Amino acid sequence: DTGVSQDPRHKITKRGQNVTFRCDPISEHNRLYWYRQTLGQGPEFLTYFQNEAQLEKSRLLSDRFSAERPKGSFSTLEIQRTEQGDSAMYLCASTLAGGSYNEQFFGPGTRLTVL
Amino acid sequence: AQSVTQLDSQVPVFEEAPVELRCNYSSSVSVYLFWYVQYPNQGLQLLLKYLSGSTLVESINGFEAEFNKSQTSFHLRKPSVHISDTAEYFCAVKGGSEKLVFGKGTKLTVNP
Repeated sequence: DTGVSQDPRHKITKRGQNVTFRCDPISEHNRLYWYRQTLGQGPEFLTYFQNEAQLEKSRLLSDRFSAERPKGSFSTLEIQRTEQGDSAMYLCASTLAGGSYNEQFFGPGTRLTVL
Repeated sequence: AQSVTQLDSQVPVFEEAPVELRCNYSSSVSVYLFWYVQYPNQGLQLLLKYLSGSTLVESINGFEAEFNKSQTSFHLRKPSVHISDTAEYFCAVKGGSEKLVFGKGTKLTVNP
Protein backbone atom coordinates (compact mmCIF):
# COMPACT_ATOMS: atom_id res chain seq x y z
CA ASP A 1 0.00 0.00 0.00
CA THR A 2 1.56 3.31 -1.06
CA GLY A 3 -0.98 5.65 0.52
CA VAL A 4 -0.60 7.92 3.53
CA SER A 5 -0.17 5.94 6.72
CA GLN A 6 -0.68 7.01 10.31
CA ASP A 7 0.35 5.38 13.53
CA PRO A 8 -1.20 4.55 15.90
CA ARG A 9 -4.75 4.27 14.62
CA HIS A 10 -6.15 4.61 18.13
CA LYS A 11 -4.72 6.11 21.29
CA ILE A 12 -6.31 6.25 24.72
CA THR A 13 -4.54 8.33 27.30
CA LYS A 14 -5.15 9.96 30.65
CA ARG A 15 -5.45 13.69 31.03
CA GLY A 16 -2.06 15.28 31.55
CA GLN A 17 -0.08 12.69 29.62
CA ASN A 18 1.93 13.43 26.47
CA VAL A 19 1.15 11.69 23.18
CA THR A 20 2.91 11.54 19.84
CA PHE A 21 1.46 10.56 16.48
CA ARG A 22 3.32 9.69 13.33
CA CYS A 23 2.41 10.27 9.69
CA ASP A 24 4.17 8.75 6.70
CA PRO A 25 3.18 10.57 3.50
CA ILE A 26 3.13 9.17 0.01
CA SER A 27 6.73 8.92 -1.06
CA GLU A 28 7.91 11.85 -3.19
CA HIS A 29 5.17 14.09 -1.75
CA ASN A 30 6.85 17.22 -0.46
CA ARG A 31 3.89 18.79 1.35
CA LEU A 32 2.37 17.34 4.48
CA TYR A 33 -0.68 18.60 6.34
CA TRP A 34 -2.25 17.95 9.75
CA TYR A 35 -5.96 18.38 10.40
CA ARG A 36 -8.13 17.69 13.44
CA GLN A 37 -11.69 16.39 13.28
CA THR A 38 -13.91 16.49 16.33
CA LEU A 39 -17.25 14.74 16.65
CA GLY A 40 -19.87 16.27 14.40
CA GLN A 41 -17.44 18.62 12.71
CA GLY A 42 -15.46 18.62 9.51
CA PRO A 43 -11.68 18.47 9.52
CA GLU A 44 -9.95 21.66 10.68
CA PHE A 45 -6.52 22.67 9.47
CA LEU A 46 -3.71 22.62 12.02
CA THR A 47 -0.44 23.05 10.14
CA TYR A 48 1.49 22.13 7.03
CA PHE A 49 5.06 21.52 5.93
CA GLN A 50 6.84 21.90 2.66
CA ASN A 51 9.77 19.54 2.94
CA GLU A 52 11.05 20.13 6.47
CA ALA A 53 9.85 23.72 6.77
CA GLN A 54 6.66 24.41 8.72
CA LEU A 55 5.01 27.10 6.60
CA GLU A 56 1.65 27.72 8.26
CA LYS A 57 0.13 27.10 11.67
CA SER A 58 -3.47 27.54 12.72
CA ARG A 59 -4.42 29.39 15.87
CA LEU A 60 -5.94 26.04 16.91
CA LEU A 61 -2.37 24.82 17.42
CA SER A 62 -1.81 25.86 21.01
CA ASP A 63 1.56 25.87 22.76
CA ARG A 64 0.91 22.30 23.88
CA PHE A 65 1.01 21.12 20.29
CA SER A 66 4.17 20.73 18.27
CA ALA A 67 4.72 19.23 14.86
CA GLU A 68 7.95 18.30 13.16
CA ARG A 69 9.12 16.93 9.85
CA PRO A 70 12.84 16.68 10.45
CA LYS A 71 14.00 15.08 7.22
CA GLY A 72 11.19 16.16 4.97
CA SER A 73 9.66 12.70 4.96
CA PHE A 74 7.57 11.47 7.92
CA SER A 75 6.07 13.89 10.43
CA THR A 76 5.21 13.72 14.11
CA LEU A 77 2.55 15.60 16.03
CA GLU A 78 3.04 15.80 19.78
CA ILE A 79 0.47 16.95 22.30
CA GLN A 80 1.77 17.74 25.75
CA ARG A 81 -0.33 17.69 28.92
CA THR A 82 -3.37 16.37 27.09
CA GLU A 83 -6.82 17.69 27.96
CA GLN A 84 -10.21 16.11 27.39
CA GLY A 85 -10.86 18.70 24.70
CA ASP A 86 -8.00 17.23 22.68
CA SER A 87 -10.08 14.11 22.03
CA ALA A 88 -10.48 14.01 18.25
CA MET A 89 -9.42 12.30 15.05
CA TYR A 90 -6.07 13.63 13.87
CA LEU A 91 -5.72 13.44 10.10
CA CYS A 92 -2.63 13.67 7.98
CA ALA A 93 -2.57 14.46 4.27
CA SER A 94 0.14 14.83 1.68
CA THR A 95 0.57 16.24 -1.80
CA LEU A 96 3.17 16.92 -4.44
CA ALA A 97 3.37 20.68 -4.77
CA GLY A 98 3.41 22.21 -8.22
CA GLY A 99 1.02 23.54 -10.80
CA SER A 100 -2.27 25.21 -10.06
CA TYR A 101 -3.78 22.46 -7.98
CA ASN A 102 -2.39 19.99 -5.47
CA GLU A 103 -4.74 17.19 -4.47
CA GLN A 104 -4.38 16.29 -0.84
CA PHE A 105 -4.40 12.56 -0.12
CA PHE A 106 -5.56 11.70 3.38
CA GLY A 107 -4.47 8.99 5.76
CA PRO A 108 -6.90 6.92 7.89
CA GLY A 109 -6.36 9.12 10.94
CA THR A 110 -5.38 8.60 14.56
CA ARG A 111 -8.29 8.64 16.99
CA LEU A 112 -7.27 10.13 20.34
CA THR A 113 -9.37 9.65 23.45
CA VAL A 114 -8.35 11.56 26.56
CA LEU A 115 -9.90 10.21 29.76
CA ALA B 1 -10.98 33.75 4.96
CA GLN B 2 -13.27 31.06 3.65
CA SER B 3 -16.18 29.23 5.22
CA VAL B 4 -18.38 26.34 4.13
CA THR B 5 -21.94 25.59 5.15
CA GLN B 6 -23.49 22.19 4.62
CA LEU B 7 -27.15 22.73 5.28
CA ASP B 8 -28.11 19.16 6.13
CA SER B 9 -26.30 17.15 8.78
CA GLN B 10 -28.18 13.94 7.90
CA VAL B 11 -29.96 12.83 4.75
CA PRO B 12 -31.84 9.51 4.74
CA VAL B 13 -33.01 8.22 1.36
CA PHE B 14 -34.25 4.99 -0.14
CA GLU B 15 -32.19 3.00 -2.59
CA GLU B 16 -32.55 4.15 -6.22
CA ALA B 17 -33.96 7.53 -5.15
CA PRO B 18 -32.27 10.78 -6.22
CA VAL B 19 -30.32 12.77 -3.68
CA GLU B 20 -28.92 16.28 -3.35
CA LEU B 21 -26.43 17.31 -0.69
CA ARG B 22 -26.22 21.05 -0.35
CA CYS B 23 -23.08 23.14 0.07
CA ASN B 24 -22.67 26.90 0.20
CA TYR B 25 -19.41 28.71 0.65
CA SER B 26 -18.14 32.16 1.44
CA SER B 27 -14.87 33.61 0.19
CA SER B 28 -13.37 36.94 -0.75
CA VAL B 29 -11.04 35.30 -3.28
CA SER B 30 -11.46 32.78 -6.06
CA VAL B 31 -11.66 29.23 -4.78
CA TYR B 32 -11.33 25.65 -5.79
CA LEU B 33 -14.21 23.47 -4.61
CA PHE B 34 -14.20 19.84 -3.56
CA TRP B 35 -16.39 17.05 -2.32
CA TYR B 36 -14.76 14.39 -0.15
CA VAL B 37 -16.37 11.13 0.98
CA GLN B 38 -15.61 9.23 4.15
CA TYR B 39 -16.81 5.64 4.34
CA PRO B 40 -17.07 4.05 7.80
CA ASN B 41 -13.63 3.41 9.32
CA GLN B 42 -11.85 4.82 6.28
CA GLY B 43 -9.98 8.00 5.45
CA LEU B 44 -11.26 10.90 3.39
CA GLN B 45 -11.32 10.30 -0.35
CA LEU B 46 -11.68 12.93 -3.02
CA LEU B 47 -14.98 12.45 -4.85
CA LEU B 48 -14.84 15.35 -7.31
CA LYS B 49 -13.44 18.82 -7.74
CA TYR B 50 -14.08 22.09 -9.51
CA LEU B 51 -11.00 24.05 -10.51
CA SER B 52 -12.09 26.00 -13.58
CA GLY B 53 -13.89 25.59 -16.86
CA SER B 54 -17.15 23.70 -17.05
CA THR B 55 -19.26 24.35 -13.99
CA LEU B 56 -20.61 20.79 -13.98
CA VAL B 57 -18.19 18.16 -12.74
CA GLU B 58 -18.72 14.43 -12.46
CA SER B 59 -17.28 11.55 -10.51
CA ILE B 60 -16.69 8.02 -11.76
CA ASN B 61 -19.46 6.58 -9.59
CA GLY B 62 -22.31 8.73 -10.85
CA PHE B 63 -22.17 11.78 -8.59
CA GLU B 64 -22.10 15.26 -10.07
CA ALA B 65 -21.78 18.76 -8.67
CA GLU B 66 -22.43 22.14 -10.19
CA PHE B 67 -20.54 25.28 -9.33
CA ASN B 68 -22.86 28.27 -9.13
CA LYS B 69 -20.85 31.43 -8.60
CA SER B 70 -23.81 33.77 -8.19
CA GLN B 71 -25.32 31.59 -5.48
CA THR B 72 -21.92 30.56 -4.08
CA SER B 73 -23.03 26.97 -4.09
CA PHE B 74 -21.58 23.60 -5.03
CA HIS B 75 -24.38 21.09 -4.48
CA LEU B 76 -23.74 17.37 -4.93
CA ARG B 77 -26.31 15.24 -6.72
CA LYS B 78 -26.87 11.67 -7.77
CA PRO B 79 -29.93 10.56 -9.75
CA SER B 80 -30.11 7.08 -8.21
CA VAL B 81 -28.28 6.08 -5.04
CA HIS B 82 -27.08 2.67 -3.92
CA ILE B 83 -26.68 1.15 -0.48
CA SER B 84 -22.92 1.45 -0.98
CA ASP B 85 -23.20 5.25 -1.17
CA THR B 86 -23.88 5.34 2.57
CA ALA B 87 -21.11 7.53 3.93
CA GLU B 88 -20.34 10.99 5.22
CA TYR B 89 -19.77 13.65 2.58
CA PHE B 90 -17.72 16.79 3.14
CA CYS B 91 -17.67 19.90 1.00
CA ALA B 92 -14.40 21.86 1.06
CA VAL B 93 -12.90 25.00 -0.43
CA LYS B 94 -9.36 26.10 -1.05
CA GLY B 95 -8.45 29.68 -1.81
CA GLY B 96 -5.64 32.04 -0.98
CA SER B 97 -3.67 29.50 1.04
CA GLU B 98 -2.75 25.86 1.03
CA LYS B 99 -5.29 24.70 3.57
CA LEU B 100 -8.64 23.10 2.86
CA VAL B 101 -11.63 24.54 4.70
CA PHE B 102 -14.30 21.90 5.28
CA GLY B 103 -17.98 21.99 6.07
CA LYS B 104 -19.37 20.00 8.98
CA GLY B 105 -20.36 17.11 6.77
CA THR B 106 -23.58 15.41 5.69
CA LYS B 107 -24.27 11.82 6.64
CA LEU B 108 -26.02 10.08 3.78
CA THR B 109 -27.85 6.93 4.74
CA VAL B 110 -29.29 4.84 1.92
CA ASN B 111 -32.00 2.45 3.09
CA PRO B 112 -33.22 -0.61 1.21
